[in-house]
Amino acid sequence: NAGVIQTPRHKVTGKGQEATLWCEPISGHSAVFWYRQTIVQGLEFLTYFRNQAPIDDSGMPKERFSAQMPNQSHSTLKIQSTQPQDSAVYLCASSLVGGSAETLYFGSGTRLTVL
Amino acid sequence: GEKVEQHESTLSVREGDSAVINCTYTDTASSYFPWYKQEAGKSLHFVIDIRSNVDRKQSQRLTVLLDKKAKRFSLHITATQPEDSAIYFCAAISNYQLIWGSGTKLIIKP
Repeated sequence: NAGVIQTPRHKVTGKGQEATLWCEPISGHSAVFWYRQTIVQGLEFLTYFRNQAPIDDSGMPKERFSAQMPNQSHSTLKIQSTQPQDSAVYLCASSLVGGSAETLYFGSGTRLTVL
Repeated sequence: GEKVEQHESTLSVREGDSAVINCTYTDTASSYFPWYKQEAGKSLHFVIDIRSNVDRKQSQRLTVLLDKKAKRFSLHITATQPEDSAIYFCAAISNYQLIWGSGTKLIIKP
C-alpha cells in the first residue's frame, strides 16, 4: 500500500499562472479531502469528495479554486491566476468511507510557491 | 462555529520525562477528538483518538483524556523519546467536519 500520493512535491509558479495539483487516494478509500497548510492560518479545510461526488466545498475560495474527482483513483485541485497568498502546502487525505469520525490518511503534500 | 485551541505552541521536555498537550473546544456536541503528528518535513499521520462516550483512552505510551464538562482534552506522552519530536495537532468534530488546533511543537531534549 503506497499511501496517498500527491504530485508534484514542489511547484513554483509565477503570479497569474495556473497550478494543478494531483492526488491519488489509497485504493479502496471512498473519500478524498483537500487541506491547505500555512504557518499563519494552520490547517484549513478546502473541499471533500465521497464516491467521487463533491460533498462539501465550504472551504474553497470562491474564485480561482476548483477541485474535481473524475474517477476513484485521482483528484485534482486547480488554482487559476495564482497569487502570492496562495503559497502554501496543499495536503490531500483519504479515508475509507468518508464518515465524520474516521482516520484520515494524508499524502506528503504539494508545496506551492507563487512568485 | 467550533473553535479548537491548543494552548502550548511549543513544549520542551527532557528525554524520558512526560509531556502533556492540552486542547479546548467550544461545541458541546463534538463527539470525536483525534490527534495527529507531523514530523519535520513530513505529512500528518494519525496517532490516537477518543470519542465522547469515554473519558480516557490509552495506547502504549500515549493517553488521551477527555473532560466534557470543561470541554478540554489532552494528550499525555510518557517516557518521551527523540522520535516523539514533532508538531502535534488536535482536532474536534463539528457539523461533520474536523476543526483543527494550531499545533504544538514538542521538543525532546537529550
